[in-house]
Amino acid sequence: DQQVKQNSPSLSVQEGRISILNCDYTNSMFDYFLWYKKYPAEGPTFLISISSIKDKNEDGRFTVFLNKSAKHLSLHIVPSQPGDSAVYFCAAMGETSGSRLTFGEGTQLTVNP
Amino acid sequence: ETGVTQTPRHLVMGMTNKKSLKCEQHLGHNAMYWYKQSAKKPLELMFVYSLEERVENNSVPSRFSPECPNSSHLFLHLHTLQPEDSALYLCASNLYGSFGYTFGSGTRLTVV
Repeated sequence: DQQVKQNSPSLSVQEGRISILNCDYTNSMFDYFLWYKKYPAEGPTFLISISSIKDKNEDGRFTVFLNKSAKHLSLHIVPSQPGDSAVYFCAAMGETSGSRLTFGEGTQLTVNP
Repeated sequence: ETGVTQTPRHLVMGMTNKKSLKCEQHLGHNAMYWYKQSAKKPLELMFVYSLEERVENNSVPSRFSPECPNSSHLFLHLHTLQPEDSALYLCASNLYGSFGYTFGSGTRLTVV
């Protein structure tokens, strides 16, 4: 039973345009959500997070939106830059999971110059 | 460098070999994790050591054996692996109860 799903394995956008990466979850006990970014040959690095008490969190070019009723979150990157090309993982955690993160499959974002 | 160091970065081993992966952190964290990343699959939690207590994922085969001698070091001992065990193995750490992890760069394992 996969509790966090990223249905798009890949996304390609033009430099300067908006990138929207989507994530769905099934476990209603999740109350904190994170996005990680991974370059080849490196480990994932933390990008942005959101608590379930909020519906939006913004950090520079990156904004995460949370729709609790739909159990859906999305990451918006605007404007997209070629250096944003990476795999983006959505992750979730809740009180009952301790510190353990449950990850999605990842979405490969390619930003074309 | 993230503060979590994994060695080796790459490992090729035969199915009859025994090898170990090493992870080290000096961030003052008290929880460490092993994750497996296979292509087009979610990162799969294999083992958790929090406050030096081991929590296992019961679906992990016994040919993977973790060891956590102290809060700064974590090992994954490998023996009689299968080709399908080829993957990127990631170590992560955090302060137990905090949000998010710090990951190492991973060990790319190939079983031949």
